[in-house]
Amino acid sequence: GPKVLQIPSHQIIDMGQMVTLNCDPVSNHLYFYWYKQILGQQMEFLVNFYNGKVMEKSKLFKDQFSVERPDGSYFTLKIQPTALEDSAVYFCASSLGTGVSGNTLYFGEGSRLIVV
Amino acid sequence: QQKVQQSPESLTVSEGAMASLNCTFSDGTSNNFRWYRQHSAKGLEVLVSIFSDGEKEEGRFTAHLNRANLHVSLHIREPQPSDSAVYLCAVIDTNAYKVIFGKGTHLHVLP
Repeated sequence: GPKVLQIPSHQIIDMGQMVTLNCDPVSNHLYFYWYKQILGQQMEFLVNFYNGKVMEKSKLFKDQFSVERPDGSYFTLKIQPTALEDSAVYFCASSLGTGVSGNTLYFGEGSRLIVV
Repeated sequence: QQKVQQSPESLTVSEGAMASLNCTFSDGTSNNFRWYRQHSAKGLEVLVSIFSDGEKEEGRFTAHLNRANLHVSLHIREPQPSDSAVYLCAVIDTNAYKVIFGKGTHLHVLP
């Protein structure tokens, strides 16, 4: 099936440093998402993105977070500066956005971020 | 705000026995439900999508939706040890661009 690729698969970073998580969505998809999952907990919505703009973001999407997709390249989540509580697996997803099954989200395998 | 709850938290079945997972939601106006599977350290795999009351089958996976009862279930026919994973119920928010997940059911299939 359609594949969403995430880079890096895991990263350890010092608290206060900047990190960028990269997502290569399904090629014809138009809507992009980031979700956060702390170990053993529920997957939580962070943000969705369409046509170069954030459509909606949750309370978890702190001011230190930003997303962009410059020129149709990777869809990125940047955290600057990182905090200990940012340690989690971050999942990227994309969807076509149209048609009966257009809201099916396809997920990447996650980027495991550990802030120390 | 849609709330999604799954039960049981953990389920152990023997290979070949039917596995049934439950999901309740708080807002019956949604018409777009999905079951995903998450193997540890992997991304999410779409199992079955259902958009109207009744039943939807995809291979060994069958979803039942009853919006009046705010309930959607997943039944796995002839489960195998490779089906051991976390199963996530997802409800598409009415604005159609946000997915709300339950906490998941850990399914263990014994050989």
